[in-house]
Amino acid sequence: SQQGEEDPQALSIQEGENATMNCSYKTSINNLQWYRQNSGRGLVHLILIRSNEREKHSGRLRVTLDTSKKSSSLLITASRAADTASYFCATDPSLYGNTDKLIFGTGTRLQVFP
Amino acid sequence: GAVVSQHPSRVICKSGTSVKIECRSLDFQATTMFWYRQFPKKSLMLMATSNEGSKATYEQGVEKDKFLINHASLTLSTLTVTSAHPEDSSFYICSARAVWPSGTDTQYFGPGTRLTVL
Repeated sequence: SQQGEEDPQALSIQEGENATMNCSYKTSINNLQWYRQNSGRGLVHLILIRSNEREKHSGRLRVTLDTSKKSSSLLITASRAADTASYFCATDPSLYGNTDKLIFGTGTRLQVFP
Repeated sequence: GAVVSQHPSRVICKSGTSVKIECRSLDFQATTMFWYRQFPKKSLMLMATSNEGSKATYEQGVEKDKFLINHASLTLSTLTVTSAHPEDSSFYICSARAVWPSGTDTQYFGPGTRLTVL
């Protein structure tokens, strides 16, 4: 399977704390994206980082990418109860050319307690 | 932002019936749409890539005769689950690829359709 792995599978923290999720993937990529999914809902795109970028910020989100280790991390700072959701990384494998075909990681379920 | 809708949001059917799920891009044209399947508390698995006006490309292990995909226009793709069985019960999510004048492209996801086969 080409599916990426994410860890931890589940993470519980208090409001105000930072949450860090990690993603590892298997093939070379064009880009890596992070998505959020509330229970039983569709996906919301959070941030995209290209293979030639190492770090990107968007509001309280910070994403890093290490292509030599085939890994990425998503940091949510000053978490809020509303951040409770599942978070998925998704890669666009370059071996398919530029097809925007996304391979999703296994996901991290984040629970933020008020 | 770009919006993708799915209809129905939830469907319950009897075993042996066929179910059609629609995916529409509401404010942009999508030459490519993707269909995913998600089991409870699991990740999304890509089923097929749907291109307007041509046959869909199915991922390994996905039965094309079981999951019929039609991309009839630049704003509509349909997934038909034929002769549904309880093991087909799942959450089906579509996405549509938008290419903006700036040249950037992004996938936008629909809200999903929960299929329950009795």
